[in-house]
Amino acid sequence: QIALKESGPTLVKPTQTLTLTCTFSGFSLSTSEVGVGWFRQPPGEALEWLALFYWDDDKRYNPYLKSRLTIARDTSKDQVVLTMTNMDPVDTATYYCAHTPLVYSGSYYVGYSQHWGQGALVTVSS
Amino acid sequence: EVVMTQSPATLSVSPGERATLSCWASQSVNSYLAWYQQKPGQAPRLLISGASTRATGIPARFSGSGSGTEFTLTISSLQSEDFAVYYCHQYNNWPQTFGQGTKVEIK
Repeated sequence: QIALKESGPTLVKPTQTLTLTCTFSGFSLSTSEVGVGWFRQPPGEALEWLALFYWDDDKRYNPYLKSRLTIARDTSKDQVVLTMTNMDPVDTATYYCAHTPLVYSGSYYVGYSQHWGQGALVTVSS
Repeated sequence: EVVMTQSPATLSVSPGERATLSCWASQSVNSYLAWYQQKPGQAPRLLISGASTRATGIPARFSGSGSGTEFTLTISSLQSEDFAVYYCHQYNNWPQTFGQGTKVEIK
């Protein structure tokens, strides 16, 4: 059974760096055509895709946030870590990670989010 | 980026009735379109991938159709547990993008 859980601080100050960890089970990120994505959702708003980590260590970032984001994995712990620098109050949101099965579109691998973590609410305030 | 537009923003439906939700993409996303259901305080739940493939455990009353730029999610007979917000999600182009959601509420 696939499960994911986000962990990290609930409160960060403006300009600080946010580090969130996604701990997963029930699948291996070493298996071909598997990824882990990160998303966020400000209170009362829609979902926003942030980044995707591929089984082969490739990475994709939302270009609007790319300069602030880093996604990486810790193989020994079945974890994917997202860091976001220079946090601002507008970054207040629930952050989710999700298991992403991938298919080759003819140009690159793409994927929907099949299993989601419960989410972690992060508030940015001084 | 591909802009996803959902209509209507709110849909008022009586239990047992049919609900039809629409999603348009600003450019073709082929069939790389997913639908999610989200209830208050919960994570999104995958309903449909590939525009029309029901996810595991999703009841047959949920169906998806469309390709290219126009997509539809149909709930054939609304049950009490179906009242929620529904999002479409394109994963064909980078960045992946979501619609603003359609809230299905009890009439």
